[in-house]
Amino acid sequence: EPEVTQTPSHQVTQMGQEVILRCVPISNHLYFYWYRQILGQKVEFLVSFYNNEISEKSEIFDDQFSVERPDGSNFTLKIRSTKLEDSAMYFCASSDGTGIETQYFGPGTRLLVL
Amino acid sequence: QKEVEQNSGPLSVPEGAIASLNCTYSDRGSQSFFWYRQYSGKSPELIMSIYSNGDKEDGRFTAQLNKASQYVSLLIRDSQPSDSATYLCAVHLTGGGNKLTFGTGTQLKVEL
Repeated sequence: EPEVTQTPSHQVTQMGQEVILRCVPISNHLYFYWYRQILGQKVEFLVSFYNNEISEKSEIFDDQFSVERPDGSNFTLKIRSTKLEDSAMYFCASSDGTGIETQYFGPGTRLLVL
Repeated sequence: QKEVEQNSGPLSVPEGAIASLNCTYSDRGSQSFFWYRQYSGKSPELIMSIYSNGDKEDGRFTAQLNKASQYVSLLIRDSQPSDSATYLCAVHLTGGGNKLTFGTGTQLKVEL
């Protein structure tokens, strides 16, 4: 069964450092998403990506965040200068874009900013 | 105003019982509703989607949607200890594009 994969599973970084979180969406899917979940809180939308551009972003997704699809399979989230409050689980998701937008989530990357 | 609301629980049910999880949403125009299960430290796993008023059954799970009352529920029959998890309600809100808006989740504990 196709699944979304994410790397790394865990990342520890120092405040102010750049991190890149990687995702491989399900191969025939057209929409890609990033969500985050701070420990003990709800899952929050960050950004959606379609046809090689951002289709929607939340207030959380400020200038320190960026997304990219560098090749035909990977989808990345970059945080330019990490802050303590960026510590969270980051989930990538994808959907097939047929109009019934069921989103399938990857296993997540746990980011800890020290 | 909260957009998707769930009782955080925990909801405790004995093994073999029916667990009933509820979710209300604020946007009357919402069309797509999803239930995800999330084990501690893991990612959301899709259980069911529902788009039309009424019931939708899949194995031990039944989703119920009432758009007039703006609530969606999930029933789990013959609850098993392995069902112990947090159940997340997610909604495509009108004007929200493709993003999902999640509730805070209800923690379910199935006791032996």
